[in-house]
Amino acid sequence: DGGITQSPKYLFRKEGQNVTLSCEQNLNHDAMYWYRQDPGQGLRLIYYSQIVNDFQKGDIAEGYSVSREKKESFPLTVTSAQKNPTAFYLCASIVNWGSPGELFFGEGSRLTVL
Amino acid sequence: AQRVTQPEKLLSVFKGAPVELKCNYSYSGSPELFWYVQYSRQRLQLLLRHISRESIKGFTADLNKGETSFHLKKPFAQEEDSAMYYCALSSEGGSEKLVFGKGTKLTVNP
Repeated sequence: DGGITQSPKYLFRKEGQNVTLSCEQNLNHDAMYWYRQDPGQGLRLIYYSQIVNDFQKGDIAEGYSVSREKKESFPLTVTSAQKNPTAFYLCASIVNWGSPGELFFGEGSRLTVL
Repeated sequence: AQRVTQPEKLLSVFKGAPVELKCNYSYSGSPELFWYVQYSRQRLQLLLRHISRESIKGFTADLNKGETSFHLKKPFAQEEDSAMYYCALSSEGGSEKLVFGKGTKLTVNP
């Protein structure tokens, strides 16, 4: 069953701790994205990757880091430098950069900082 | 800079009534516009895009470049249409770096 898998679905973190959210896709898509979804704010782009071993900052990259060592994987690390990390995080992918096709989303990961 | 505005956070209609979810955009080039939908406990998914000129689940949306709008319409709302709707814009070429609006939560009452 092809798609995007995000884990964990729910995560609690103490202040000052880094946490890594996993995103795996078996759609053979080149491009992958991380969005942050907050109530009343819509979706804001954190990082994106056009192709393996390449990634770019989005609109709200401060306090986050990513890697793209494998085509199917695009993990997001929320560092202690992120001032307001409690949010719902969405991973997405598309066939390739510049494709007019559909953006496929994962089910999301909800991070709560205690 | 690209910007998408959805003026209504919440929209409530009765079953069978017409519904229109507003979307205005700001972009100087030729945009590609999309509507994405998120039903309760489901992942965000594409509803329709202007380039395909389709009607999906009874919804249509027309790009009006003069008014820079891409409103989503359905003549007779159904309870299963209740969801969060996001309008999104991409610069010429494709879906890279989609800019999303803040979303409109549609509730269709019985």
